[in-house]
Amino acid sequence: AQSVTQLDSQVPVFEEAPVELRCNYSSSVSVYLFWYVQYPNQGLQLLLKYLSGSTLVKGINGFEAEFNKSQTSFHLRKPSVHISDTAEYFCAVGTGTASKLTFGTGTRLQVTL
Amino acid sequence: KAGVTQTPRYLIKTRGQQVTLSCSPISGHRSVSWYQQTPGQGLQFLFEYFSETQRNKGNFPGRFSGRQFSNSRSEMNVSTLELGDSALYLCASSLDPALNQPQHFGDGTRLSIL
Repeated sequence: AQSVTQLDSQVPVFEEAPVELRCNYSSSVSVYLFWYVQYPNQGLQLLLKYLSGSTLVKGINGFEAEFNKSQTSFHLRKPSVHISDTAEYFCAVGTGTASKLTFGTGTRLQVTL
Repeated sequence: KAGVTQTPRYLIKTRGQQVTLSCSPISGHRSVSWYQQTPGQGLQFLFEYFSETQRNKGNFPGRFSGRQFSNSRSEMNVSTLELGDSALYLCASSLDPALNQPQHFGDGTRLSIL
């Protein structure tokens, strides 16, 4: 069985500062990795995905993530955050197929002036 | 292109009742998955339907069931509601996640059990 660990439940950051949200996974088979964002009272929006190929993945809203197989990590980064990036971020893993995702517990990104 | 539509957005029920939630996927998407989101347990996979057949199932009791229609719309039913069933229920659609197509989520149905 696979699992996902998001070590930081909350990350406070000032506007225009860089941010990294950490995600580690465990799985005995090949994985597919995703980052989703959830704004209040909304569903999840796909930020980016890693299926295969280049380990550096670029997504929407200026976010990117790097797949590191040896460290079993898929950290999300943004060089300069905006107030509008305040939201809950979820890392997810799928194995075999991407139909049964296992999610991390989420990281609350709080951007302030 | 319209997104995933879930109805109703909010629902209040009492213990022992049953409830049916509806999900209309993005046009052309044949797979529909359901997730339960709670503060304590986070996001948990309920089941996935593809071409009217349940293809994957999570670890939920038999009170939770679903179905998919020929137009790919899906319904989820919960019988004999318990207080712990209070949650945000999210539906996600995909062309075919078995081909690693990503899932697109609706805004959810918030179910409150009194």
